[in-house]
Amino acid sequence: KNEVEQSPQNLTAQEGEFITINCSYSVGISALHWLQQHPGGGIVSLFMLSSGKKKHGRLIATINIQEKHSSLHITASHPRDSAVYICAVRDMRFGAGTRLTVKP
Amino acid sequence: GAVVSQHPSRVICKSGTSVKIECRSLDFQATTMFWYRQFPKQSLMLMATSNEGSKATYEQGVEKDKFLINHASLTLSTLTVTSAHPEDSSFYICSARVAAYEQYFGPGTRLTVT
Repeated sequence: KNEVEQSPQNLTAQEGEFITINCSYSVGISALHWLQQHPGGGIVSLFMLSSGKKKHGRLIATINIQEKHSSLHITASHPRDSAVYICAVRDMRFGAGTRLTVKP
Repeated sequence: GAVVSQHPSRVICKSGTSVKIECRSLDFQATTMFWYRQFPKQSLMLMATSNEGSKATYEQGVEKDKFLINHASLTLSTLTVTSAHPEDSSFYICSARVAAYEQYFGPGTRLTVT
């Protein structure tokens, strides 16, 4: 079993929809990262969480340490949100990523 | 926010040659830098952890003699792929850690070995 499991693997949404991506992990962690990777390959760090909830613009990330689970939410999704979203824990053990496509 | 740069962004080399990739933290000092590799349609995989002034720690299965990592200063780490082969073709990404929970990623280097 992978240390970091993400779901869904692929997600297609219509512009404006609310999106949720989930991440479960099996190891003890000090922080969890949510990353965004665009088709060109470059990676952007969206959030680093150790507890609770963080919000940045239309993005919200939550983490439940006891349940070893984190979620990334995108409100009012837009085609430019189309990317692969990756969660990572510990010294960068990565989930397989969720490929999000937002259609206009 | 903090910026990490990589150079070159793309490189094509012939089989058997060596390629050096630089990772720089532009506006902060990073005591720890990480190197990752990503094959097409796969997630990133940690190759090694590099601490300034000391030897890198390689992940299991990563050949340290093939992937030479030098972290000579608090703003620069280099990855040299020695005697590159086509199977080394991949997307190489570095990241730099500022504090325990702060980590920033470089834009990546696409290596193609012909």
